[in-house]
Amino acid sequence: DGGITQSPKYLFRKEGQNVTLSCEQNLNHDAMYWYRQDPGQGLRLIYYSQIVNDFQKGDIAEGYSVSREKKESFPLTVTSAQKNPTAFYLCASSDRAASNQPQHFGDGTRLSIL
Amino acid sequence: EDKVVQSPLSLVVHEGDTVTLNCSYEVTNFRSLLWYKQEKKAPTFLFMLTSSGIEKKSGRLSSILDKKELSSILNITATQTGDSAIYLCAVEGYNNNDMRFGAGTRLTVKP
Repeated sequence: DGGITQSPKYLFRKEGQNVTLSCEQNLNHDAMYWYRQDPGQGLRLIYYSQIVNDFQKGDIAEGYSVSREKKESFPLTVTSAQKNPTAFYLCASSDRAASNQPQHFGDGTRLSIL
Repeated sequence: EDKVVQSPLSLVVHEGDTVTLNCSYEVTNFRSLLWYKQEKKAPTFLFMLTSSGIEKKSGRLSSILDKKELSSILNITATQTGDSAIYLCAVEGYNNNDMRFGAGTRLTVKP
């Protein structure tokens, strides 16, 4: 089945550590997105990528980094510079070339600080 | 600054009740408004609205967009406990990164 796979489901970060969240899609979508969800704040855009080897900062990119070396993969690294990383992270993808197509979401990764 | 505001933030009803969730927006170069349902994990897509005044319907759920008022409503009739979730409204523009979400409405349906 086509879809978006995020891993791990749960992740714990130690002080000063970088951690990487995985996002893989087999929907052949060009565009991929990373969102952060905190209670009562909805989803906020961290980074997005429209094509391979290109990505743009969203509203809250500080303390995060991404890469897009393959169409299927868009990993997110939460660096030690992100002082409040505890949140639910959602990856999404969409076919921007097709009109009236919504973003599809993965099941998320819940990140906590040890 | 683009923004999406949902109301109410939280709602508790009993099975069989009808609910109306609201979403208002300020977005440049409006392209579409989307409703998602989020239970424990991934938001699942409900509706995409692009034209004003045309109701979209799926079972007990329906939604309509009012471009003049810059708003949308999501109606759920004969609610069931399985409708308990966070309902997210998002507005998309024609710019590259524009998918702005509201804070969501947390709906709880009691038996």
